[in-house]
Amino acid sequence: NAGVTQTPKFRVLKTGQSMTLLCAQDMNHEYMYWYRQDPGMGLRLIHYSVGEGTTAKGEVPDGYNVSRLKKQNFLLGLESAAPSQTSVYFCASSYLWQGAGANVLTFGAGSRLTVL
Amino acid sequence: AQSVTQPDIHITVSEGASLELRCNYSYGATPYLFWYVQSPGQGLQLLLKYFSGDTLVQGIKGFEAEFKRSQSSFNLRKPSVHWSDAAEYFCAVSGGGADGLTFGKGTHLIIQP
Repeated sequence: NAGVTQTPKFRVLKTGQSMTLLCAQDMNHEYMYWYRQDPGMGLRLIHYSVGEGTTAKGEVPDGYNVSRLKKQNFLLGLESAAPSQTSVYFCASSYLWQGAGANVLTFGAGSRLTVL
Repeated sequence: AQSVTQPDIHITVSEGASLELRCNYSYGATPYLFWYVQSPGQGLQLLLKYFSGDTLVQGIKGFEAEFKRSQSSFNLRKPSVHWSDAAEYFCAVSGGGADGLTFGKGTHLIIQP
């Protein structure tokens, strides 16, 4: 059982280039998330999705777009990369615990992006 | 808006000694609380969670945490640390629903031999 898989694991871009990070989960989870992790900042939510065909903005959505065309996949796009987007990106998926109303996130291993 | 504060950026503990990592949260209602651990170059692994009920929760790897509503705290403890516990530890809070977790900035744990 793979859980949450992110590709690619590493990528170097030049300013202005575009790219897409792919997240795939095989747990049939409804909810999926993209976070970025920067030194001393913890994890900050970029965008999330509560189901196929839906997306919503998180805390730091500017400069990113997302799509959830299939339940198992959640794509994070950078249309015109900037050095400020150099970060480690984590995808997570989750479901709501019945009766508790809380969701427990399962994380991927991360994708390290450097923008020169 | 909810928030999490982890007051200690770095903590150094000798192997075999006890550990307590602090976490304070801000949330208007009863929160859902989590501790995650991140080993170098890895993703985040759930250590434990608090939803309701017993305020002392047990997790994996011998960790436990206690929810104290009066202090808005959810501190993580371990009676005796091992060198393999060296990692980054994140406390997180959720108000429920699907809008994700809010994380603290993390505490970097260093284990001295």
